[in-house]
Amino acid sequence: DTAVSQTPKYLVTQMGNDKSIKCEQNLGHDTMYWYKQDSKKFLKIMFSYNNKELIINETVPNRFSPKSPDKAHLNLHINSLELGDSAVYFCASSPNNYEQYFGPGTRLTVT
Amino acid sequence: GQQVMQIPQYQHVQEGEDFTTYCNSSTTLSNIQWYKQRPGGHPVFLIQLVKSGEVKKQKRLTFQFGEAKKISSLHITATQTTDVGTYFCAGQQSWGKFQFGAGTQVVVTP
Repeated sequence: DTAVSQTPKYLVTQMGNDKSIKCEQNLGHDTMYWYKQDSKKFLKIMFSYNNKELIINETVPNRFSPKSPDKAHLNLHINSLELGDSAVYFCASSPNNYEQYFGPGTRLTVT
Repeated sequence: GQQVMQIPQYQHVQEGEDFTTYCNSSTTLSNIQWYKQRPGGHPVFLIQLVKSGEVKKQKRLTFQFGEAKKISSLHITATQTTDVGTYFCAGQQSWGKFQFGAGTQVVVTP
């Protein structure tokens, strides 16, 4: 009965590949986010969706494309992976744009 | 653009001591949140401060929000080994957009 789940937990892939990370929340929240946490632990917001609508789209390469098929899911697709994309990606959800509940993270390693 | 600075970046504390981490925003915030991330874990929500001058306590943790809503602090008393982790503040200026500080990594020595 995990509140915010992400798959996969680990992802190792080669440069140039395309990969997806999935996120699901069973909390009934309206807002979902994607964050990138680099090796220095800096957390940077990438995207925010509210009721399946894109609200925030930070300065992120257009190789990153989020998709929200419904309110409970927010997936992240990455094209043409680069070495600099290696990081931990966290999905989060929020009931009312207040406290955020983070998923366990997906550690992406690009070789 | 909005910037949230957090200091110190690292905090080595002897068990039983107190310490404070600070969060400073370049712009007035609508609210500020604090999160804790244990090593290898994910950020976990601790608290949200909304009102100017607000002070909230959670056991040994005391959170403050400055009068101008630009500064916030987290003070931990009698540090325990369970306090190990990275503490992040996240300031919100506009709807949906949170700017996280760089975090304070806390190491506790017994």
